[in-house]
Amino acid sequence: AQSVAQPEDQVNVAEGNPLTVKCTYSVSGNPYLFWYVQYPNRGLQFLLKYITGDNLVKGSYGFEAEFNKSQTSFHLKKPSALVSDSALYFCAVRDIRADSNYQLIWGAGTKLIIKP
Amino acid sequence: DTGVSQNPRHKITKRGQNVTFRCDPISEHNRLYWYRQTLGQGPEFLTYFQNEAQLEKSRLLSDRFSAERPKGSFSTLEIQRTEQGDSAMYLCASSFLPGGWYEQYFGPGTRLTVT
Repeated sequence: AQSVAQPEDQVNVAEGNPLTVKCTYSVSGNPYLFWYVQYPNRGLQFLLKYITGDNLVKGSYGFEAEFNKSQTSFHLKKPSALVSDSALYFCAVRDIRADSNYQLIWGAGTKLIIKP
Repeated sequence: DTGVSQNPRHKITKRGQNVTFRCDPISEHNRLYWYRQTLGQGPEFLTYFQNEAQLEKSRLLSDRFSAERPKGSFSTLEIQRTEQGDSAMYLCASSFLPGGWYEQYFGPGTRLTVT
């Protein structure tokens, strides 16, 4: 079965430190992977995607993600965290089943808390 | 603002009442999606449209739920005879097919509370 896992419900990081939010996936074939962020009382915002090409993908707000095929992971990273990065982060993968109409399969989300 | 908009932002209703939400997608986007999100969870797909055609409905979408996109622009989601279990954030997203459909752009959501 296709799935996305975000193993950490919450990640705490001190401001200025690097951050990593983990995501692993299980799909057959080549995955299309996405990260979205949700700030309090706001809708989801697209951060970045991996379709093909360079394993390191750069996105909005200084975030990047590294695709690792052997580990089936797509971890979100940022070299220096800001308090304003505190939000809920979702990883998603495109459902490649023929009858899925390519819907997205979503992880449960990871709450990122950046402490001053 | 040329993003996805949703109205109302908040709705409180009594159990058994009907509610209707509206979504205005980004104007050039031909795909429109509805999701439901409960606290601490990822979005659950409900249905989507390509232009005015409703192409897929989730099994989550009971007969009390109906969605329309009459002219391929804005969409409405109606819930009849609301139940307390319908309390959630209802998200709308849009994308463009072909090309950048992978990137779905979300509205701010409508938070429904059923008392």
